[in-house]
Amino acid sequence: DIQMTQSPSSLSASVGDRVTITCRASQGISNYLAWFQQKPGKAPKSLIYAASSLQSGVPSKFSGSGSGTDFTLTISSLQPEDFATYYCQQYNSYPRTFGGGTKVEIK
Amino acid sequence: QITLKESGPTLVKPTQTLTLTCTFSGFSLSTGGVGVGWIRQPPGEALEWLALIYWDSDEHYSPSLKSRLTITKDTSKNQVVLTVTNMDPVDSATYYCAHSTYYYGSGMDAFDIWGQGTMVTVSS
Repeated sequence: DIQMTQSPSSLSASVGDRVTITCRASQGISNYLAWFQQKPGKAPKSLIYAASSLQSGVPSKFSGSGSGTDFTLTISSLQPEDFATYYCQQYNSYPRTFGGGTKVEIK
Repeated sequence: QITLKESGPTLVKPTQTLTLTCTFSGFSLSTGGVGVGWIRQPPGEALEWLALIYWDSDEHYSPSLKSRLTITKDTSKNQVVLTVTNMDPVDSATYYCAHSTYYYGSGMDAFDIWGQGTMVTVSS
């Protein structure tokens, strides 16, 4: 199985901050990486696929980058609605493993 | 508009078999490249990928749970069913189904739309 490691596991940030979350794969996955946002009590929502492609309707403050084993999700200016837990997932091979999540909290 | 909804028991006893149904609309599981998968999330924990079935009946399972999982589809009913045998309290979780869309540029598919999830508790 490919292990996906996210860092940090949690972070505190203020409204307007630029936030970066990293995701590392235990082996190369090309750009077959997705990012999801999950708010408490809700299902995950797809933000990004193919490492950097925004899903339809996702605001451009979200961006993704990376290829191979190292990836990042950046929120350019954190807004109140962005406080949530973010997960990466590789879809290069089965099982399609998720990272452990990064909880973004209000400072 | 694609929607998915999970249904099944909220409480099962240890050793019992769990059967969950994902009923969807807005797409057909007979369309090339389309898949439906199952993911679970224990309370306060991370997401865990379980299984995925494609339009052509190709199936994939989590190796750690493969012996206990079965995923099937009923294209005419727009449903995907997941069965989990020999349930244990550690299997208590919210179970989600999700649509997997095929990205022609890459030749790969990924989850895009998720159901609301259904909470399952395993307790005697």
